[in-house]
Amino acid sequence: DTEVTQTPKHLVMGMTNKKSLKCEQHMGHRAMYWYKQKAKKPPELMFVYSYEKLSINESVPSRFSPECPNSSLLNLHLHALQPEDSALYLCASSQVRGRGYEQYFGPGTRLTVT
Amino acid sequence: QKEVEQNSGPLSVPEGAIASLNCTYSDRGSQSFFWYRQYSGKSPELIMSIYSNGDKEDGRFTAQLNKASQYVSLLIRDSQPSDSATYLCAPRAGFQKLVFGTGTRLLVSP
Repeated sequence: DTEVTQTPKHLVMGMTNKKSLKCEQHMGHRAMYWYKQKAKKPPELMFVYSYEKLSINESVPSRFSPECPNSSLLNLHLHALQPEDSALYLCASSQVRGRGYEQYFGPGTRLTVT
Repeated sequence: QKEVEQNSGPLSVPEGAIASLNCTYSDRGSQSFFWYRQYSGKSPELIMSIYSNGDKEDGRFTAQLNKASQYVSLLIRDSQPSDSATYLCAPRAGFQKLVFGTGTRLLVSP
């Protein structure tokens, strides 16, 4: 079952709000990823967790705070966002051993910051 | 700078034709290559992965890899209107990072 789920599907938040995006996978993968995608652009990597530890932070502003409570869950906490942070936020997961590290994406959360 | 280049398109093909999508990459260390399909407003969907030089076929899709030329391609046979989407080429750079190209928009007309 190659399924990654994300909630909510859509989120509208003000610049002073605090909200969280959630991601869950049941494929037994031990790496999970957050990407940001703007319209007509490719996904940009934000964070990578490997065995529940943060392994890559692509110099993301501190108003984005990731959390990996266990091997199946990944959260992205949002605080004091800017309108330019409006985008599609994608979660993905993959194995951490083997040849390919094929990444499987969830459906995404469409975020609008007002 | 690790770069992945794709023609942005749109690539227009009639239904039933072969669509050929191309990608060049700059990182000679890349060992794994992935093709994702992304419909408008949806998330990327993995459709092919290839690791060795040569061809890999899966249904109507064939991925071709030439590491010496730093070139990877995706052929879609018997193209259908439902294949109309943006196709993203993504070599793996380093342990867990994918470097995405900007994508090629494919339009298949009935």
